[in-house]
Amino acid sequence: DAGVIQSPRHEVTEMGQEVTLRCKPISGHNSLFWYRQTMMRGLELLIYFNNNVPIDDSGMPEDRFSAKMPNASFSTLKIQPSEPRDSAVYFCASSPTTGLEAFFGQGTRLTVV
Amino acid sequence: RKEVEQDPGPFNVPEGATVAFNCTYSNSASQSFFWYRQDCRKEPKLLMSVYSSGNEDGRFTAQLNRASQYISLLIRDSKLSDSATYLCVVNSPGTYKYIFGTGTRLKVLA
Repeated sequence: DAGVIQSPRHEVTEMGQEVTLRCKPISGHNSLFWYRQTMMRGLELLIYFNNNVPIDDSGMPEDRFSAKMPNASFSTLKIQPSEPRDSAVYFCASSPTTGLEAFFGQGTRLTVV
Repeated sequence: RKEVEQDPGPFNVPEGATVAFNCTYSNSASQSFFWYRQDCRKEPKLLMSVYSSGNEDGRFTAQLNRASQYISLLIRDSKLSDSATYLCVVNSPGTYKYIFGTGTRLKVLA
């Protein structure tokens, strides 16, 4: 298996623009997580899905952030409009079932200028 | 109190030294525990799971103390390649959530 695949690897955008991050989880994994990592706050869980259904989005910072999982093999995290404080590394991770380890993608490094 | 707390370090140790990190968690009902390793500008990767009876993998030993609600990671005979950030992870009981500590930085010096 290729592991969790994220795209793009790097994104530089201007403030106010829409940003869409993409994730393909490991085949057969039924839990998917979106995390954001900054130096100041570490790894923060934004939202997670189980069997394509959003279970907990309490970590989503505000209404500018939205996430979807239309099927078992694809998820998106969208920021609209983006702001400089959204600059961070965004990781997607998947897990085969509850309680087992999560596998991370390589992350998307987002810079909003 | 944070759900998962770690000393950020850095821990600077010479090659060959033994070093230990602790991590405390707040929810006594937590059931799953892990140590992840993250290299600079890379994604976190699973180092080892932490079992109730403790477990060992080569130079690495993980232990769980439920009474005091902490887990530990011991690294023996440190190598330069062990330099990284070590993240403590706790599963939030009754959910599918994994809560990460902010990590402990380790630098092994030649």
